[in-house]
Amino acid sequence: DGGITQSPKYLFRKEGQNVTLSCEQNLNHDAMYWYRQDPGQGLRLIYYSQIVNDFQKGDIAEGYSVSREKKESFPLTVTSAQKNPTAFYLCASSIGGKETQYFGPGTRLLVL
Amino acid sequence: SQQGEEDPQALSIQEGENATMNCSYKTSINNLQWYRQNSGRGLVHLILIRSNEREKHSGRLRVTLDTSKKSSSLLITASRAADTASYFCATDRGGSRLTFGEGTQLTVNP
Repeated sequence: DGGITQSPKYLFRKEGQNVTLSCEQNLNHDAMYWYRQDPGQGLRLIYYSQIVNDFQKGDIAEGYSVSREKKESFPLTVTSAQKNPTAFYLCASSIGGKETQYFGPGTRLLVL
Repeated sequence: SQQGEEDPQALSIQEGENATMNCSYKTSINNLQWYRQNSGRGLVHLILIRSNEREKHSGRLRVTLDTSKKSSSLLITASRAADTASYFCATDRGGSRLTFGEGTQLTVNP
């Protein structure tokens, strides 16, 4: 089956800890995105990558980091600098130059 | 503020009724999309309408776009309980980036 997978479904972070959220796609899409969603709100763009080995900051990049070493993978690290990390994190991908985005099932991050 | 803003924030209807959601935006766009999100899940693309189109249909969905008013509406006809979800509009920002509104929570009561 083609699609986007995110893991884990739930993630718990302790104070001062960095955690990494996984996003993998087998759709052969060039572009990938990370969004944050807070309760009852829309999606805010954290980082995006249009091609391997290149990525750009979105609207709320502070406290987050990403890498894009492979076309299929776009992991997001929530660093200890992100003081309010509790949220639902969504990964998406799109064919290069096309507008429609395809979303993974999300990872819910909670702080212990 | 967000480029897209949905109205109403929440909508509750009976099964079989039609549901209309509206989206307003501030700057010029190339296209506008509607997405659906079931509780605790990822978003699913529903329909895309380009700036030179006025209306588009897909099954029970009808989307209109009025670029002079910078607004769009999503109509779901003959709603079903399974249509219960949040619905988001998204506008393009260039470079394949999208700006999402805050969504309309639709509840369809059986």
